[in-house]
Amino acid sequence: QKEVEQNSGPLSVPEGAIASLNCTYSDRGSQSFFWYRQYSGKSPELIMSIYSNGDKEDGRFTAQLNKASQYVSLLIRDSQPSDSATYLCAVNNLYNFNKFYFGSGTKLNVKP
Amino acid sequence: GAVVSQHPSWVICKSGTSVKIECRSLDFQATTMFWYRQFPKQSLMLMATSNEGSKATYEQGVEKDKFLINHASLTLSTLTVTSAHPEDSSFYICSARDTGTGVNYGYTFGSGTRLTVV
Repeated sequence: QKEVEQNSGPLSVPEGAIASLNCTYSDRGSQSFFWYRQYSGKSPELIMSIYSNGDKEDGRFTAQLNKASQYVSLLIRDSQPSDSATYLCAVNNLYNFNKFYFGSGTKLNVKP
Repeated sequence: GAVVSQHPSWVICKSGTSVKIECRSLDFQATTMFWYRQFPKQSLMLMATSNEGSKATYEQGVEKDKFLINHASLTLSTLTVTSAHPEDSSFYICSARDTGTGVNYGYTFGSGTRLTVV
């Protein structure tokens, strides 16, 4: 079992819709969770971090964390074609908080 | 915000030669930096953890004698791919985090280096 699992997609949504990206993790004690966006041929950029159960909103992005169920999700409201990218979920290592595990990423396509 | 500079952005080298990639934290100090490799349409694969002033920690399956890491200062880590072969062609990315921040802060990635070995 991988430490972090994501559906590879592609997830296709029309422009203006809500895109929902999900991620599950295996280490119950993980404490920090991150969403990165990676455009093709570019390096990942940090979108959001979350470490408490519940929702965290930042502009059009909302991260949701449920530690009991060991999943974290990212909602993108009013999706734009420029949001088309691969979204990577990252979880810190239980025994080494400096070490992150990355999911394989979900490719999002926002169609105009 | 934190900025990580990585150079070169792309390099083409002949098989058997060595290539050095630099990763610099521009506005913060980083005790730890990470080196990743990413093949086309695949996810990031952690290669090694670069520790300032000490030996790097390599992930299972990564040859430490082939991928030399030096972290001589709090702002610079280098990855040298020795005796490169075509199968080493990949996108290499470093990441770092301000040592002064807590575990809830994410890492910033460098812009990546696309290595092509011919």
